[in-house]
Amino acid sequence: DAGVIQSPRHEVTEMGQEVTLRCKPISGHDYLFWYRQTMMRGLELLIYFNNNVPIDDSGMPEDRFSAKMPNASFSTLKIQPSEPRDSAVYFCASSSPLGGTVYGYTFGSGTRLTVV
Amino acid sequence: KNEVEQSPQNLTAQEGEFITINCSYSVGISALHWLQQHPGGGIVSLFMLSSGKKKHGRLIATINIQEKHSSLHITASHPRDSAVYICAVDYGGSQGNLIFGKGTKLSVKP
Repeated sequence: DAGVIQSPRHEVTEMGQEVTLRCKPISGHDYLFWYRQTMMRGLELLIYFNNNVPIDDSGMPEDRFSAKMPNASFSTLKIQPSEPRDSAVYFCASSSPLGGTVYGYTFGSGTRLTVV
Repeated sequence: KNEVEQSPQNLTAQEGEFITINCSYSVGISALHWLQQHPGGGIVSLFMLSSGKKKHGRLIATINIQEKHSSLHITASHPRDSAVYICAVDYGGSQGNLIFGKGTKLSVKP
């Protein structure tokens, strides 16, 4: 398995533009997570899906952020319009239960977003 | 509030030194993860623990469930070990979700 695949690796965009980040989870993993990492706040959960259904989006900062998971092998995180304060590294991770309440996680390589 | 505390925040060591990074959490967990992130790099899962001790090469992770504490040890440290080490806990329940510590930035000097 190629692991969790994110694209693009780097994105530089101008303020006000729409940005779409993409993620392909590991086949068979039934949970998918979007995280944001900044120097100030570390890793923060934005939203997660279970079997393609959004379960908790309380971490999504505001209405400018939206996420979809149209099928088990693909998810997007969209920012429209983008702002400089959205600059961060965005990670996608997928997980599956290993037994009981224990889950194994795999992270993607991240997308470094810079909004100028 | 479920919190994860790591110490130290920053650590500088000489090559060959034995290194310990600590993680404490506030309530019972189903598992604890140690993650590694190299500068500008992705996040790699090093260990997942629910009890006891695990070893992989020069890395050792331990967890004490009663004391709600885990340690990551690196023996014979090397400059390539320089990275941010992140502790994350899974409080379990019907879904998996991690709560992260703020990370420990390790720099190993040759």
